[in-house]
Amino acid sequence: EAGVTQFPSHSVIEKGQTVTLRCDPISGHDNLYWYRRVMGKEIKFLLHFVKESKQDESGMPNNRFLAERTGGTYSTLKVQPAELEDSGVYFCASSQEFIAGNNEQFFGPGTRLTVL
Amino acid sequence: EDQVTQSPEALRLQEGESSSLNCSYTVSGLRGLFWYRQDPGKGPEFLFTLYSAGEEKEKERLKATLTKKESFLHITAPKPEDSATYLCAVRQYLNTGTASKLTFGTGTRLQVTL
Repeated sequence: EAGVTQFPSHSVIEKGQTVTLRCDPISGHDNLYWYRRVMGKEIKFLLHFVKESKQDESGMPNNRFLAERTGGTYSTLKVQPAELEDSGVYFCASSQEFIAGNNEQFFGPGTRLTVL
Repeated sequence: EDQVTQSPEALRLQEGESSSLNCSYTVSGLRGLFWYRQDPGKGPEFLFTLYSAGEEKEKERLKATLTKKESFLHITAPKPEDSATYLCAVRQYLNTGTASKLTFGTGTRLQVTL
């Protein structure tokens, strides 16, 4: 079974440019999460989709970040315009429909974003 | 607000030297404590979920335990391939019937030498 995939693996952009990150969850997983790790800090939650709906956006830093999940399948995270503090590793995770006691989140390899 | 604190930040062991990693947490309504392993340049890899105090789970040389305030990851007779960062995360109970976000600690970097 294929795991969570993310594209690109690395992105280097200039301040003010736009970047779009993509995540393909494990097939059949309704829950999709975006997380971010900035240098020296812990992994922090950004956003949670259940199918195509945003369940929790409480971790999104500001309105420069826009996440979408087309048809409840893959998701994109767009940063526009990018700022220096947006640099970090962006992780995507997915999990099955929530069943009590069985809802592990499986992570992708991450996209390393560098804003110069 | 949920909080997770891991200690030590870094740990260096010789092969075969057993030890424990600590994860202290504060969460209102725990709905799972998770342990992940992360290798450089990769995403976190799921290891265990613990749900209630007293619960224990084992996988090869790893054993995770849970109390009401903390969790331990015991590593017995480690090998160099156990070298990685070990992450602890908690999930809060939601009465909406949906899964919620994970709150992570900063991790423990483990190095096992020959």
